[in-house]
Amino acid sequence: EDKVVQSPLSLVVHEGDTVTLNCSYEVTNFRSLLWYKQEKKAPTFLFMLTSSGIEKKSGRLSSILDKKELFSILNITATQTGDSAVYLCAERRGGSQGNLIFGKGTKLSVKP
Amino acid sequence: GAVVSQHPSRVICKSGTSVKIECRSLDFQATTMFWYRQFPKQSLMLMATSNEGSKATYEQGVEKDKFLINHASLTLSTLTVTSAHPEDSSFYICSASRDTDTQYFGPGTRLTVL
Repeated sequence: EDKVVQSPLSLVVHEGDTVTLNCSYEVTNFRSLLWYKQEKKAPTFLFMLTSSGIEKKSGRLSSILDKKELFSILNITATQTGDSAVYLCAERRGGSQGNLIFGKGTKLSVKP
Repeated sequence: GAVVSQHPSRVICKSGTSVKIECRSLDFQATTMFWYRQFPKQSLMLMATSNEGSKATYEQGVEKDKFLINHASLTLSTLTVTSAHPEDSSFYICSASRDTDTQYFGPGTRLTVL
């Protein structure tokens, strides 16, 4: 059973569109929720969310966490072809291990 | 489906010892496995890419003699940190891929070197 579930698994949009990517997680020993963008090599860190209802923004990207409903969304406005990538969501658990539990990612393709 | 496990989830060792970390794809055959190290501020650094049956390809700056990678089967890759030092303490994450696009990530292994 998947612990971190992302949806949709893939998405094709045109430049200028706005997209919303979803991530749901389990509550067990939750510490934080992280978003990454993966293009060719290592995933690039985007956001870390720990508090519910506080939006984090970076340019055209924004993300928010809902700890009551156990999900997070990543919004990208005015998409560009350079936004094409796999977006990964990961839950960091608490405790001495602090493991990251990754979702399977959402593959976003932005067409010109 | 597409579950990747790592063992151990946490290891503490003394300086100078070697530590082996296993990465397994539980329900699929992984033609390629990747090893990452997590740095402060949550960034992930790709250390090496391994294909079953062949030598791993290391990223620039990663010492291949220190971080030994073996990909002996389509479901198992191992990372051995040799002569570990405190600066090797980190969170090591593997991912596995069965095609050219999608990587499935393991839960990571936290290494602490005393």
